[in-house]
Amino acid sequence: GAVVSQHPSWVICKSGTSVKIECRSLDFQATTMFWYRQFPKQSLMLMATSNEGSKATYEQGVEKDKFLINHASLTLSTLTVTSAHPEDSSFYICSASEAGSYNEQFFGPGTRLTVL
Amino acid sequence: QKEVEQDPGPLSVPEGAIVSLNCTYSNSAFQYFMWYRQYSRKGPELLMYTYSSGNKEDGRFTAQVDKSSKYISLFIRDSQPSDSATYLCAMSLIKAAGNKLTFGGGTRVLVKP
Repeated sequence: GAVVSQHPSWVICKSGTSVKIECRSLDFQATTMFWYRQFPKQSLMLMATSNEGSKATYEQGVEKDKFLINHASLTLSTLTVTSAHPEDSSFYICSASEAGSYNEQFFGPGTRLTVL
Repeated sequence: QKEVEQDPGPLSVPEGAIVSLNCTYSNSAFQYFMWYRQYSRKGPELLMYTYSSGNKEDGRFTAQVDKSSKYISLFIRDSQPSDSATYLCAMSLIKAAGNKLTFGGGTRVLVKP
């Protein structure tokens, strides 16, 4: 089946620093990638949708200047949390969708971010 | 009111029992329905995908959709401790790559040996 990886799997950073999370589709070309945020015991909250080569579309209430998304190739998307604060601590999950497929999304294993 | 409602659980069952999960939704435009399983601190994995009313079976899993009632269900037969996880329903408006999914809140399931 389609495999999506994320790196790092967990990261701890100091308040005010920036953190980059990578999402890769390993065995297929992902024309669309999604970034989600998940708080403990809660469901996934869609942050943004990114299509390869174009700007990401952010959901209402998500600060685009704080959560920078780049989808430079068909196998890689990155999420950068800029000037991170403790309230940004969360589980960030990406998913990828392949061109020509149904609307099935393949999820990465997630990245746990802790901001001190 | 949330677009997709799902009982958070936890739902605790003995090994071998049938697990019954469900979601209700308010937007009648949803056409495609999915069930995902998520283990703790992992990403969700797709279990079932269906787009029409009725039943769909895959091994121990049966997905049911009732569009007239805006109600979907997932049944897990002969439950195993390894089925202990959070189950998320998801739905979308159209069948196309890149389309957004709307998730339920997830139901935590515990299967006790």
